Amino acid sequence: RKEVEQDPGPFNVPEGATVAFNCTYSNSASQSFFWYRQDCRKEPKLLMSVYSSGNEDGRFTAQLNRASQYISLLIRDSKLSDSATYLCVVNRAPDSWGKLQFGAGTQVVVTP
Amino acid sequence: DAMVIQNPRYQVTQFGKPVTLSCSQTLNHNVMYWYQQKSSQAPKLLFHYYDKDFNNEADTPDNFQSRRPNTSFCFLDIRSPGLGDAAMYLCATSRGGTGFSYNEQFFGPGTRLTVL
Repeated sequence: RKEVEQDPGPFNVPEGATVAFNCTYSNSASQSFFWYRQDCRKEPKLLMSVYSSGNEDGRFTAQLNRASQYISLLIRDSKLSDSATYLCVVNRAPDSWGKLQFGAGTQVVVTP
Repeated sequence: DAMVIQNPRYQVTQFGKPVTLSCSQTLNHNVMYWYQQKSSQAPKLLFHYYDKDFNNEADTPDNFQSRRPNTSFCFLDIRSPGLGDAAMYLCATSRGGTGFSYNEQFFGPGTRLTVL
């Protein structure tokens, strides 16, 4: 089983719609969770950290479910510019120093 | 602006010809990482430096080496590139330590390596 698993998609989303997707992780000791965004042939960029209580940043909402070991990302009012691959990232506990395990990504395509 | 810079952005080399990729950062972060990313795959950690302490991943081939001469710079040396080494090479930095903000990693734009 992969440490971090994501549905590769693509999720085809009409502009203005809501899209949500999950990511599962295998290491119950992981404590830090992130969503990164990666555009085609570009570097990953931090979208948001995922806190235990869940958090929201504008149109983006992230949730953590420790019991079932998954995190989710919801995008409201999708924009064309939201088209990208979203990488789920968890720390490689018990390793310190911020070693992270990346998922292979979920592709989102927002269409006019 | 504080940032992570990688040079060159594109590198073409011949099979077996050594190549060096460079990374510099102005974030004054303690930790620097090198990742390899192939198409549609997750970034794969090759190694990282916490200050001067080098940490190699168990499955990183011996063909890959790294140097960190000072806080700001880190180099990736590929001694004898093979066709399978063609990929995007990403440098990242983090403050290091425990806690969310210390684990956040910031990436450079990457170097795309082509092996002929």
